[in-house]
Amino acid sequence: QKEVEQNSGPLSVPEGAIASLNCTYSDRGSQSFFWYRQYSGKSPELIMFIYSNGDKEDGRFTAQLNKASQYVSLLIRDSQPSDSATYLCAVSRGMNTGFQKLVFGTGTRLLVSP
Amino acid sequence: GAVVSQHPSWVICKSGTSVKIECRSLDFQATTMFWYRQFPKQSLMLMATSNEGSKATYEQGVEKDKFLINHASLTLSTLTVTSAHPEDSSFYICSARGTGGKGYTFGSGTRLTVV
Repeated sequence: QKEVEQNSGPLSVPEGAIASLNCTYSDRGSQSFFWYRQYSGKSPELIMFIYSNGDKEDGRFTAQLNKASQYVSLLIRDSQPSDSATYLCAVSRGMNTGFQKLVFGTGTRLLVSP
Repeated sequence: GAVVSQHPSWVICKSGTSVKIECRSLDFQATTMFWYRQFPKQSLMLMATSNEGSKATYEQGVEKDKFLINHASLTLSTLTVTSAHPEDSSFYICSARGTGGKGYTFGSGTRLTVV
């Protein structure tokens, strides 16, 4: 079982629709959860992060975390063609040395059609 | 916001030569630097983690003698790919974390092609 799993997609949605991206993780000790957007050939850029169970909203984006189910999702409202990219879910784990590393999923490719 | 400058953005080198990639934190002190590698259509794979002034911790399967990491200051970390081979061709990305910070700031990445 992979540590962080995502459906590779592509997920196709029409412009203006809600895109729902999902991610599951295996380590129950995971503490922090991140969503990154990566355009082809570019470095990932942070969309948002979440630490507590429930929802966190930032503009058109909403992250949802359910630690009991080991599930985190990202909703994108009013999807735009410029949102077309690969969305990476990342999870941080505690380490003995006191710093945390990110473990990434394989990413979900989102295509928003005009 | 926090910025990490990564250079070069792309490099082509001959097989057997070494390549150095630099990451500089411009407006914060990077106490921890993570180095990732990403092959086409794959996710980011962590290669190693380094704290300023300490030896890097390498992930399983990553050769520490081939991928030399130096984190001599709080603003600079380097990754040197020694005796590069075509299979080392990849997208290398650094990510920095500052003191007390919860965020991870990524560099812009380096596309390495070994011919």
